[in-house]
Amino acid sequence: AQTVTQSQPEMSVQEAETVTLSCTYDTSESDYYLFWYKQPPSRQMILVIRQEAYKQQNATENRFSVNFQKAAKSFSLKISDSQLGDAAMYFCAYRSKETSGSRLTFGEGTQLTVNP
Amino acid sequence: NAGVTQTPKFQVLKTGQSMTLQCAQDMNHEYMSWYRQDPGMGLRLIHYSVGAGITDQGEVPNGYNVSRSTTEDFPLRLLSAAPSQTSVYFCASSYNRGNSPLHFGNGTRLTVT
Repeated sequence: AQTVTQSQPEMSVQEAETVTLSCTYDTSESDYYLFWYKQPPSRQMILVIRQEAYKQQNATENRFSVNFQKAAKSFSLKISDSQLGDAAMYFCAYRSKETSGSRLTFGEGTQLTVNP
Repeated sequence: NAGVTQTPKFQVLKTGQSMTLQCAQDMNHEYMSWYRQDPGMGLRLIHYSVGAGITDQGEVPNGYNVSRSTTEDFPLRLLSAAPSQTSVYFCASSYNRGNSPLHFGNGTRLTVT
């Protein structure tokens, strides 16, 4: 079974600075999908960014980008020009391409604080 | 477009009581699932369904039942609530393919006393 690990329970960043959240995963599969979700205090789960393992190019969505290192099984999220609205819990998630259904395996989460 | 609608938002139960968490989606998604969120443990899959009439167990299925009689609805039943089921529950749906992202409901905070 796949596992996802987020080794940083809490992180903080100054407004306008850059922060990187770490995520590692364990899998024997060669093709899969990776996601980052954001959960603000409202409890809503919001998709931030996604990456397909067969694509070498790192995904980017505005101020959010990933550093996908397939050999190292690492999928970190970089937030540039941090804003107060970025404060949230961030979850890394893995989806197998081989198993049926769209099941996601989530990491433990990283609580991000943005200081003004 | 309502997306994924989950009710209720909050619920308090006494040990041994039963209840059903409702989930409906209007996006014609084949895949639906239930997760529970506990501090320090992320989201863990309870049950999932890849289509009407098809359900399967996830990582933590004990104490929960599901059914999928229509594409739109996927209720989660707690048969006899226990304090260990105190959690936040999320329903989610997606197309059953590729990098299709999960769309989540707004969650239900359940407390079992």
